[in-house]
Amino acid sequence: AQSVTQLGSHVSVSEGALVLLRCNYSSSVPPYLFWYVQYPNQGLQLLLKYTTGATLVKGINGFEAEFKKSETSFHLTKPSAHMSDAAEYFCAVSDPARTGGGADGLTFGKGTHLIIQP
Amino acid sequence: DTGVSQDPRHKITKRGQNVTFRCDPISEHNRLYWYRQTLGQGPEFLTYFQNEAQLEKSRLLSDRFSAERPKGSFSTLEIQRTEQGDSAMYLCASSPSWPPGQFFGPGTRLTVL
Repeated sequence: AQSVTQLGSHVSVSEGALVLLRCNYSSSVPPYLFWYVQYPNQGLQLLLKYTTGATLVKGINGFEAEFKKSETSFHLTKPSAHMSDAAEYFCAVSDPARTGGGADGLTFGKGTHLIIQP
Repeated sequence: DTGVSQDPRHKITKRGQNVTFRCDPISEHNRLYWYRQTLGQGPEFLTYFQNEAQLEKSRLLSDRFSAERPKGSFSTLEIQRTEQGDSAMYLCASSPSWPPGQFFGPGTRLTVL
């Protein structure tokens, strides 16, 4: 069974500072990996994903993440935080070995609430 | 707007009543998913359709829950004899066959009194 651990339920950074949100996964095979952002009372928006190929992936709003198989990690970073980045961030995995190449349900972490200090 | 839509956005019901939610996926997506999200938690997978076929159901989907996608387009999720523990945000997502990556709707927030 897959699992996702997001270290830190709350992360606070100053505006303009580096954002680092941590995600570690447990999976029997290298999974597909995703980061989603959720603003209050809204659905989830896909920030970026890793499937195959280049391990450093770039997403929307200046975010990027690096897949490190040896560390079973997929940490999310952004060089300079903006006030509009304040939201809940979820890391998720799917198992490409299951039904139809990653078509099964995603397994999510519990989320990290990102707070931006002015 | 060509995103995933859900209706209603909010539903308040009394314990024991039945409720039904609707999801309209992105039109070219053949895969549709339902999730449940409670406060302070990540979404939990409930069930998944490819076209009209329901291919996977989580153990979270008790006998009181049923989902359909009769024509491979919109989907409905029905909860019978609601319980207070059913109070949650119900999220729908859709995706194409490839590449992986699910697109979520705004959710239906259910409150059971």
